[in-house]
Amino acid sequence: AQTVTQSQPEMSVQEAETVTLSCTYDTSESDYYLFWYKQPPSRQMILVIRQEAYKQQNATENRFSVNFQKAAKSFSLKISDSQLGDAAMYFCAYRTYNNNDMRFGAGTRLTVKP
Amino acid sequence: KAGVTQTPRYLIKTRGQQVTLSCSPISGHRSVSWYQQTPGQGLQFLFEYFSETQRNKGNFPGRFSGRQFSNSRSEMNVSTLELGDSALYLCASSLGTSGNTDTQYFGPGTRLTVL
Repeated sequence: AQTVTQSQPEMSVQEAETVTLSCTYDTSESDYYLFWYKQPPSRQMILVIRQEAYKQQNATENRFSVNFQKAAKSFSLKISDSQLGDAAMYFCAYRTYNNNDMRFGAGTRLTVKP
Repeated sequence: KAGVTQTPRYLIKTRGQQVTLSCSPISGHRSVSWYQQTPGQGLQFLFEYFSETQRNKGNFPGRFSGRQFSNSRSEMNVSTLELGDSALYLCASSLGTSGNTDTQYFGPGTRLTVL
């Protein structure tokens, strides 16, 4: 069974600095997708970034980038120039190529200090 | 384009009752997935509907059921409510096709409280 592990329940970062959130997963599949979702307090979950497992190049979306290590089954999220609006719960998620059953990690609560 | 909408946003029920939650996907999306979010269990997949058919199912009892209409709107029903069913129920829509274009977009959720 595919599982997703986020080992950091909470993280904090100073405004304008960089923080990295960790995620590992377990799968025997070769084709799959990985996602980072952000859920601000009492607000909607939104997609931050996604990575296709067949792509060696790490995905980047503005201040957000990932470090995807397929052999190590690791998928970390780096947030550069952190902003107050980045404070949220961040979920790492996995799904296989042909199945919409997404598996989520337990989440990391990110606090941004002014 | 309008996002995923869910109604109602908040619901309070008592044990033994049943409840129906509704989800309207993004226009053009044919897949609707439902998730239960609780502090203890996190986010868990309930089921997915595509073209009015249940395509995938998570590990939940039969009290949890759903359906999808021809306009892709979906409803989720929970019968004989238990205290443990108190949760945020999230709906996510996607195109429903295979491959990397099929990213799920989430609605705001329905907060169900069972007393």
